[in-house]
Amino acid sequence: DSGVTQTPKHLITATGQRVTLRCSPRSGDLSVYWYQQSLDQGLQFLIQYYNGEERAKGNILERFSAQQFPDLHSELNLSSLELGDSALYFCASSPRTADTQYFGPGTRLTVL
Amino acid sequence: QKEVEQDPGPLSVPEGAIVSLNCTYSNSAFQYFMWYRQYSRKGPELLMYTYSSGNKEDGRFTAQVDKSSKYISLFIRDSQPSDSATYLCAMSPPHNDYKLSFGAGTTVTVRA
Repeated sequence: DSGVTQTPKHLITATGQRVTLRCSPRSGDLSVYWYQQSLDQGLQFLIQYYNGEERAKGNILERFSAQQFPDLHSELNLSSLELGDSALYFCASSPRTADTQYFGPGTRLTVL
Repeated sequence: QKEVEQDPGPLSVPEGAIVSLNCTYSNSAFQYFMWYRQYSRKGPELLMYTYSSGNKEDGRFTAQVDKSSKYISLFIRDSQPSDSATYLCAMSPPHNDYKLSFGAGTTVTVRA
């Protein structure tokens, strides 16, 4: 158990809908990272937050947004969902911005 | 060309064999190198972390980095059925924006 928690474990929704994925980092970790893992694209970095502020952006679509709250938990919002958004979404955390990352168990999103 | 190349396998070996995994990369700025293990439907788990070139050993696992060739390896000695998983290499440059670039992952099966 990495200490990173993610909810929900599974989400099934329809195209066009909006969902929110939640992540609680390890105790004391200030950085949160979001990744998308699909069969054809592998593990792709989406976005990083450090102590409430956005620090780095990767291949994140404009339909996706994230935030990190004062208690350091983070949410990833996915809107106008498409079939191709079906994937595993992982959250990772680290103490600072240049540390090894510890991954949560992931949220499996299925868009029908 | 992808920034990090990793043969997806699959790789099947008998119990007790040495498993050899490798990745090549194109970004000469990478200095932090990691190997993660991912069991089916679980989050990636950090196995090894190395900085710059050289070898690092941890139990049955040995990680090697050859920056001149832009090539990293992971060796698993005395492999066990419990080592059956997907192994992902990951790397990043020494900046504050700590974005991991992942290989596609190699699926390994250790046969009892």
